[in-house]
Amino acid sequence: DIQMTQSPSSLSASVGDRVTITCQASQDINNYLNWYQQKPGKAPKLLIYDASNLERGVPSRFSGSGSGTDFTFTISSLQPEDIATYYCQQYDKVPSLTFGGGTKVEIK
Amino acid sequence: QVQLQESGPGLVKPSETLSLTCTVSGYSISSRYYWGWIRQRPGKGLEWIGTIYHSGSTYCNPSLKSRVTISVDTSKNQFSLNLSSVTAADTAVYYCARVMGWYSNWFDPWGQGTLVTVSS
Repeated sequence: DIQMTQSPSSLSASVGDRVTITCQASQDINNYLNWYQQKPGKAPKLLIYDASNLERGVPSRFSGSGSGTDFTFTISSLQPEDIATYYCQQYDKVPSLTFGGGTKVEIK
Repeated sequence: QVQLQESGPGLVKPSETLSLTCTVSGYSISSRYYWGWIRQRPGKGLEWIGTIYHSGSTYCNPSLKSRVTISVDTSKNQFSLNLSSVTAADTAVYYCARVMGWYSNWFDPWGQGTLVTVSS
């Protein structure tokens, strides 16, 4: 199984701050990496697919980068509505699909 | 706009089979795409369970494969999950979602989720 390690597990930042989350795969997954946002009590929502492609309708302050084993998710200017838990998900070796442990983002 | 809705019992006894159905609206399930199940234990992260194509072909999480059955009913525009021999560790919110494709394995959109508790 491919393990996905997200860090940090939680963070606190001010409105307007740049927020960065990393996801590291236990082996090369090319760019087969997706990012989701889950607000409290809600279902996850796809934000970015294939490492860097912004899903339609998602604000441009969200971005993703990386390939191989190391990936980064960035919120360029944190907004109050961005309070959520963010998950990465790999799909390099279907049928092995795994999620990272999540990063909880809070407002300072 | 495609929407998904999970349904099924909220309480299942240990050793019994958990059965859930996902009803898809706004899109014909037999047209294209794959359809998947994901769960989230209380206070924990996400765990992929399995995925089905409208033809009926499936692929599942190896850790759950021996207990999982996923089926599709195109006439009702639904797909279903059966998880056998459940224990308290199977207590979770279960989500269904559309999967964009074999080489596009991301989940979008998701149903609202349904909480299933395993308890006697």
